[in-house]
Amino acid sequence: DAGVIQSPRHEVTEMGQEVTLRCKPISGHNSLFWYRQTMMRGLELLIYFNNNVPIDDSGMPEDRFSAKMPNASFSTLKIQPSEPRDSAVYFCASSLVAGPGNTIYFGEGSWLTVV
Amino acid sequence: GENVEQHPSTLSVQEGDSAVIKCTYSDSASNYFPWYKQELGKRPQLIIDIRSNVGEKKDQRIAVTLNKTAKHFSLHITETQPEDSAVYFCAEGSGYALNFGKGTSLLVTP
Repeated sequence: DAGVIQSPRHEVTEMGQEVTLRCKPISGHNSLFWYRQTMMRGLELLIYFNNNVPIDDSGMPEDRFSAKMPNASFSTLKIQPSEPRDSAVYFCASSLVAGPGNTIYFGEGSWLTVV
Repeated sequence: GENVEQHPSTLSVQEGDSAVIKCTYSDSASNYFPWYKQELGKRPQLIIDIRSNVGEKKDQRIAVTLNKTAKHFSLHITETQPEDSAVYFCAEGSGYALNFGKGTSLLVTP
C-alpha cells in the first residue's frame, strides 16, 4: 500500500489566494483526519471524518477553512482566503476504523507558506 | 493538545545514555496512549503504544509505562543512538481522534 497520499507537498501562495490541499487515505480505512502542525501549537486536530461524514470540526480555526470528503478515497481541505498565519504543515491521516486504539497513519504533509 | 502535557520540550543526551520523556493527561476516559517519532521534514510515525489495561510495554530499546491513577505515561529509550534524534510526540485517545502533546526534541550526540 502506498500509504496516505497528500498533494501538493509544498505550496507557496500569496495572501488572499485560495488554497486547496488534497488527500487520499489508505485504501479500506474508514476514518480520515486533518491535522495542522506549527512550532507554536504543535499538532492540532482540525477535523475528522468517519465513513465520509464529518464527525467533529471544532478544531477548524475559522470560516475561512472548509473540508470535504466526497468519497472514501478523497478529501480536500480548503483555505479561502489564505493569510500568512495559515503557514504550517498540514497532515492528513487515516485509520482503519474509528475509536481509540486504532493506529493513525500520517501522510507526508503539505507544507504551506502564505506570503 | 491542551489535554496532554509533555516534557521536557528539548532533551540532549550522549550516545549510549537513556532518555525519558513524560506526559500527563486529564481525561480519565483515555485508554490508548501511542508515541510517535517525527524525523526532520518527515511524517510522524508510530513507534510504540500502550492501552489502559497494561502498565508497561517494551519493544527492544524502547519502553512505555503507564500510571492510570496518576494519569501519566512515559517513554524510555535505552542505549540511545544518533538515529534516535527526532521529535517525539505522546498522544492520548478516548474517542475517534488523538490529542497530541507539544513534542520533545531529542538530540543524541556521538
